[in-house]
Amino acid sequence: DTGVSQDPRHKITKRGQNVTFRCDPISEHNRLYWYRQTLGQGPEFLTYFQNEAQLEKSRLLSDRFSAERPKGSFSTLEIQRTEQGDSAMYLCASSSPSGGWFFGPGTRLTVL
Amino acid sequence: GQNIDQPTEMTATEGAIVQINCTYQTSGFNGLFWYQQHAGEAPTFLSYNVLDGLEEKGRFSSFLSRSKGYSYLLLKELQMKDSASYLCAAQAAGNKLTFGGGTRVLVKP
Repeated sequence: DTGVSQDPRHKITKRGQNVTFRCDPISEHNRLYWYRQTLGQGPEFLTYFQNEAQLEKSRLLSDRFSAERPKGSFSTLEIQRTEQGDSAMYLCASSSPSGGWFFGPGTRLTVL
Repeated sequence: GQNIDQPTEMTATEGAIVQINCTYQTSGFNGLFWYQQHAGEAPTFLSYNVLDGLEEKGRFSSFLSRSKGYSYLLLKELQMKDSASYLCAAQAAGNKLTFGGGTRVLVKP
């Protein structure tokens, strides 16, 4: 499969725990994006990388959130001290310089 | 800033045509995307308009007017499986997409 992949697909955690999600982009895509989507809303931008450089972070990304893309390939998104308001679908997408833009299947986070 | 507006919900009959409008205000606009999203799933790519005009792809067509900040997605010969949310997204600097809230389309028999 050559599409964007995300792991895990579902995560249930208790409030206060830390969680980490992984995204593997399409191999030739140099840009990688993280979005968050809650029920009935469109995806909201969190952050994006060009190769290994994190070029932009949304104000939605509080200090409990951190994202990395250490070798310019896969990326991780960590949420520390999770809160119930963090429950959402976390979407990863990648794009190429020519503009093709594709989402992964998402990680659904439920914070109890 | 970025602002994307689209209707919240639309209802149509199987076999009919539905047009979903989207207006946008985006600095550094590069292009306009449409995605389809079924409940509980990730968005899937439908269309991408860079230049003004109509792009046709099977039963789905998308139109863009850059001067008016306006796009629409046209769904023809509606099928029950077309019941989904349709997301309009404007592409700006860094290829980043800003999404509207989505239009939920309900197709009735």
